[in-house]
Amino acid sequence: DGGITQSPKYLFRKEGQNVTLSCEQNLNHDAMYWYRQDPGQGLRLIYYSQIVNDFQKGDIAEGYSVSREKKESFPLTVTSAQKNPTAFYLCASSIFGGTEAFFGQGTRLTVV
Amino acid sequence: AQSVTQLDSQVPVFEEAPVELRCNYSSSVSVYLFWYVQYPNQGLQLLLKYLSGSTLVKGINGFEAEFNKSQTSFHLRKPSVHISDTAEYFCAVSDRLPTGNQFYFGTGTSLTVIP
Repeated sequence: DGGITQSPKYLFRKEGQNVTLSCEQNLNHDAMYWYRQDPGQGLRLIYYSQIVNDFQKGDIAEGYSVSREKKESFPLTVTSAQKNPTAFYLCASSIFGGTEAFFGQGTRLTVV
Repeated sequence: AQSVTQLDSQVPVFEEAPVELRCNYSSSVSVYLFWYVQYPNQGLQLLLKYLSGSTLVKGINGFEAEFNKSQTSFHLRKPSVHISDTAEYFCAVSDRLPTGNQFYFGTGTSLTVIP
């Protein structure tokens, strides 16, 4: 089945540690996105990538980093510089031109 | 950049009653419009989308939405809700840009269906 796989579903880390969230898609989509979701704030764009080896900052990129070395993979690293990293993180992909975004099941990150 | 406003953060409704979830967006240029549904601790699932053509769009689970260009609105409706419709609903907009696009989301409407 084609789709987007995010792993792990739940992640716990100690404050001050970097952590990488995985996002893999087998839909052959060019564009991929990372969103952060907090209660009452909807989805906020962290980073997006339209093609391999290129990505752009979204609205809340500070404290995060990404890479896009392969078309199917778009990992997100939450660094120690992110002041409040505890949140639900969603990865999405779309064809170039964006007639629909397909979402993964999300990763809930808790920093203690 | 686009902005999307969902006018109601919470909507309680009795089972089998009709419901309307409201959405307005900022841009006057051509856009794609979407409604997504999210169940707890899951990703977003597409309910319906407007790309072009008829302004009345039908989606899954009996939902429909109407695109109103003059009012820049895309309200979601269902004539009779079920308990299983209890979820978070997000309206979204995508630019039609030749250089690629972003998806802009509203803050969500929590629909609670009361037995």
